[in-house]
Amino acid sequence: EIVLTQSPGTLSLSPGERATLSCRASQSVSKYLAWYQQKPGQAPRLLIYDASDRASGIPPRFSGSGSGTDFTLTISSLEPEDFAVYYCQQRTNWPPFTFGGGTKVEI
Amino acid sequence: EVQLLESGGGLAQPGGSLRLSCAASGFTYIHHPMSWVRQAPGKGLEWVSATSSSGGNTYYADSVKGRFTISRDNSKNTLYLQMNSLRADDSAVYYCARDAGFCSSNSCYGVWDYWGPGTLVTVSS
Repeated sequence: EIVLTQSPGTLSLSPGERATLSCRASQSVSKYLAWYQQKPGQAPRLLIYDASDRASGIPPRFSGSGSGTDFTLTISSLEPEDFAVYYCQQRTNWPPFTFGGGTKVEI
Repeated sequence: EVQLLESGGGLAQPGGSLRLSCAASGFTYIHHPMSWVRQAPGKGLEWVSATSSSGGNTYYADSVKGRFTISRDNSKNTLYLQMNSLRADDSAVYYCARDAGFCSSNSCYGVWDYWGPGTLVTVSS
């Protein structure tokens, strides 16, 4: 099973600042990594798939990069609605699909 | 508009059973694999099970294999999860999720572009 480790656990930033979230895989997942955003009481929302492809309707301030074992989600300028928990997830070696433990972006 | 709506959650006793349903609308259901993903209170996301678009292929996490059964009725646009031998650590919000169908080098599973709001399952005596 591929283990995904996200860092930091919590990121404390202000609106307008840049957020950089990391996801590291225990073995290569090639480019097959996705990022989801989850707000309290809501279902996850797909942001990025295949490392760098933005999902439909996702604003360009969200970008993804990386391949192999190291990946980054960048939010170029935080909007108030971006404060949430972010999860990475791999689909290279499954079952099972696995998620990282999450990074909380807080004010 | 794509909509997924789960139902069937509630309180179950350890060793008991529940059947979750997920009603899908707003898209051609038969074209998409589907998954169940759960989230224990205050915890992260855990993939539970997936089914192919026809229902002919099913996949499970080790934690539920042999106890849970995923199925779908394409005539009713509905996904199911039969949960037997429930344990306390099965307590979670259960989400159904639509697979977007983006293909990797070896499969077309594992990118979920629409999710239902979830249904809460509590296993307790």
